[in-house]
Amino acid sequence: KAGVTQTPRYLIKTRGQQVTLSCSPISGHRSVSWYQQTPGQGLQFLFEYFSETQRNKGNFPGRFSGRQFSNSRSEMNVSTLELGDSALYLCASSLPRGNEQFFGPGTRLTVL
Amino acid sequence: QKEVEQNSGPLSVPEGAIASLNCTYSDRGSQSFFWYRQYSGKSPELIMSIYSNGDKEDGRFTAQLNKASQYVSLLIRDSQPSDSATYLCAVNSRKGGGFKTIFGAGTRLFVKA
Repeated sequence: KAGVTQTPRYLIKTRGQQVTLSCSPISGHRSVSWYQQTPGQGLQFLFEYFSETQRNKGNFPGRFSGRQFSNSRSEMNVSTLELGDSALYLCASSLPRGNEQFFGPGTRLTVL
Repeated sequence: QKEVEQNSGPLSVPEGAIASLNCTYSDRGSQSFFWYRQYSGKSPELIMSIYSNGDKEDGRFTAQLNKASQYVSLLIRDSQPSDSATYLCAVNSRKGGGFKTIFGAGTRLFVKA
């Protein structure tokens, strides 16, 4: 069974731009969560989606948004990028009960 | 108080020894507990999950959970240099109709050959 895939793997943007990241979960997994990982803050929860609905959201500004499609694929968007948004963005999928999560390889975003 | 706390380390153990990693959490309603291993430059990899009090063994790994003390630990027996990584403790709670997973900052483990 294929794992979680994320595209793109690397991205370089400048301040003020926006970015969209994509995540395809493991087949049969309908819950997708997004995390931001930085050396200083560790793994921070962004949001969780199930059946195209956001069920939970972390403490991030409204510039961070996401959505999930009917095939469970998910995207997250960051608008008006700031230098501090440079991070590894990880997507994880799980079965609906939301227990064991399996991570994708991540998207490394650099904001210049 | 952080929701999930881990000693950042580094924890250094000789090859063949037992490595003991600890984690405490603040939400008494937490239901699921996980240990992930993360190699430098890679994404976290699930190695153990535990849901009820007591011990759970899987190969060289043993997870221990004590909900009364809000404490979860991971023991790695016969540590190998390939076990050198950052170990993340994760705690899952039901929130807002879904679930929310909080990760600790991780403990860096070095296994010396």
